[in-house]
Amino acid sequence: EVLLVESGGGLVKPGGSLRLSCVASGFTFSNKWMSWVRQAPGKGLEWVGRIKSKAAGGITDYAAPVKGRFTISRDDSESTLYLDMNSLKSEDTAVYYCATESNPLDYWGQGTLVTVSS
Amino acid sequence: DIVMTQSPDSLAVSLGERATINCKSSQSVLYSSNNKNYLAWYQQRPGQPPRLLIQWASTRESGVPDRFSGSGSETDFTLTISSLQTEDVAVYYCQHYYGGPPWTFGQGTKVEI
Repeated sequence: EVLLVESGGGLVKPGGSLRLSCVASGFTFSNKWMSWVRQAPGKGLEWVGRIKSKAAGGITDYAAPVKGRFTISRDDSESTLYLDMNSLKSEDTAVYYCATESNPLDYWGQGTLVTVSS
Repeated sequence: DIVMTQSPDSLAVSLGERATINCKSSQSVLYSSNNKNYLAWYQQRPGQPPRLLIQWASTRESGVPDRFSGSGSETDFTLTISSLQTEDVAVYYCQHYYGGPPWTFGQGTKVEI
């Protein structure tokens, strides 16, 4: 059974930083491309970014609103995906989901809430 | 970026009746070399993460009831729930995965009874 468990969310002040983690199990993590998607309270889904498998070059892509502030990385030995978020803004407040990307996003975690507020 | 627009924003359907949700993309998501539409539908029940229902515009995922069906091509797509059940109360999103990212979603359609 595929399982994705996000953690690391919480309350952070504007301008602050946070690292989210997503631990994967039930599949060969190293082979999978992975994405982060967020959902602001009461709003729709917004793709944040993705990382390809190392076999595909480990290339990252980001949505325009987070480019230059967020960094996605992976540790295949720990089956863990990361999202490093810097220079956080109030508009980054959202539930952050990790998802496997197999054309399209086929498995999703339960999400972790990030609140950016003073 | 490809813009995905859903209609309606919400709809109320009686139990056992049909629900129809439309999704329009700002450019074609049909890849001519394999004749596949790079369009997915997701269901998000209250308090739950999204769940992939349909990919390639019309291919149901394993375990998805056959009352859910997807249709359409190029820029116009439809998700149909043939006989609404209580467990189908949710927000439904379309998403393209054509070309490269950014992947974009429709704004969502809330289905109620």
